[in-house]
Amino acid sequence: EVVLTQSPGTLSLSPGERATLSCRASQSLKSTCLAWYQQRPGQAPRLLIYGGTSRATGIPDRFSGSGSGTDFTLTISRLEPEDFAVYYCQCQQYGVSPLYTFGQGTKLEIK
Amino acid sequence: QVQLVQSGAEVKEPGASVKVACKTSGYTFTRYDISWVRQATGHGLEWMGWMNPNSGDTGYTEKFQGRVSMTRNTSIGTAYMELTSLTSEDTAVYYCSRTSSPGFFEFWGQGTLVTVSS
Repeated sequence: EVVLTQSPGTLSLSPGERATLSCRASQSLKSTCLAWYQQRPGQAPRLLIYGGTSRATGIPDRFSGSGSGTDFTLTISRLEPEDFAVYYCQCQQYGVSPLYTFGQGTKLEIK
Repeated sequence: QVQLVQSGAEVKEPGASVKVACKTSGYTFTRYDISWVRQATGHGLEWMGWMNPNSGDTGYTEKFQGRVSMTRNTSIGTAYMELTSLTSEDTAVYYCSRTSSPGFFEFWGQGTLVTVSS
């Protein structure tokens, strides 16, 4: 089973600052398996990044994904008030169970 | 536009079963897998399983094997998730999601709250 560990658990920043969220895998992954989601309170998750680096439709370019092997990063270049939410990384791995794995989430809160 | 609209909240007693519907529109239902993901209050996302709406093939995570069933009605573009032998640990919001290649959840339903309580 692939385990995705996100850090930090909570990140306190101010609007306008840069946010760097980490997702570490228990084994090396194909970078294209990695996706990132944003979840605001009371809402369903929203896809931000897929294939490791591709932004989903309508996602602002202040969001970017990077990484390879076991270390992946979601960067938000300049935080807007609506960016304060919980973020999850996720990967699909064929031939292993479970087929899809999520990280435990990073809460991005206003400082 | 692509939409997934789920059935309403449910309250069930321990030991009962629940069946959640996910009605899709805006795309060809049989072309994309549907996954189900649940989230207990204050917790993270937990993937439960997937279904191929074209073939009806399914795959479930080990935790739910024997208790979950994912089906579909292609004539009305609707997927279903049934969970049996409910306990309080199954109290959660259940989401359906359209899965795109290479293995990510592009569109989500609004969620269905299932509460298990006596």
